[in-house]
Amino acid sequence: SQQGEEDPQALSIQEGENATMNCSYKTSINNLQWYRQNSGRGLVHLILIRSNEREKHSGRLRVTLDTSKKSSSLLITASRAADTASYFCATAPPGAGSYQLTFGKGTKLSVIP
Amino acid sequence: DAGITQSPRHKVTETGTPVTLRCHQTENHRYMYWYRQDPGHGLRLIHYSYGVKDTDKGEVSDGYSVSRSKTEDFLLTLESATSSQTSVYFCAISGSGAREETQYFGPGTRLLVL
Repeated sequence: SQQGEEDPQALSIQEGENATMNCSYKTSINNLQWYRQNSGRGLVHLILIRSNEREKHSGRLRVTLDTSKKSSSLLITASRAADTASYFCATAPPGAGSYQLTFGKGTKLSVIP
Repeated sequence: DAGITQSPRHKVTETGTPVTLRCHQTENHRYMYWYRQDPGHGLRLIHYSYGVKDTDKGEVSDGYSVSRSKTEDFLLTLESATSSQTSVYFCAISGSGAREETQYFGPGTRLLVL
């Protein structure tokens, strides 16, 4: 069963706007990760946030984590057409099995030039 | 793509035939995974390996078997392919220690079972 659920399922914005995607999960985690998938390609790791962190930045990406609400958000600022892709959150369980990830179903982002 | 190849990249087969997909890595990473990706289901784990000859089942392992005789190769076998196994299959790898947390994905194999 899916651990993470992304919201919205699809998002369409104009180039230059910000894009926000959300992820909710059900059980305790060691960390939460975001991945990007361009059409017809494999997933690419974007950012990892640990359960004891609240916010993390990487370039134009900002990730927040609220463990009390079991939710995370991914913000892409000043979006570009090249950001068009599907974005997936993935959760890692606490303990020895933290290498095993459970992926959500993804948010499909379209950035219109 | 971090030194991961999958073969074949595309395959069409008939129901009831055996199919083997290969994942090859040049990163010497400990962990290897097989996922399938289907519309409406996202990415689901089939099997994974935590070392040579060490494998375990994932969420959707029925109808699949795996083998890992060398660090660099992880094979996924569909013993008798069914139409429900039509999917895109991704291999992924992750390292040890701090590097085990992030997974690196191959380009995928599109499998059509007629």
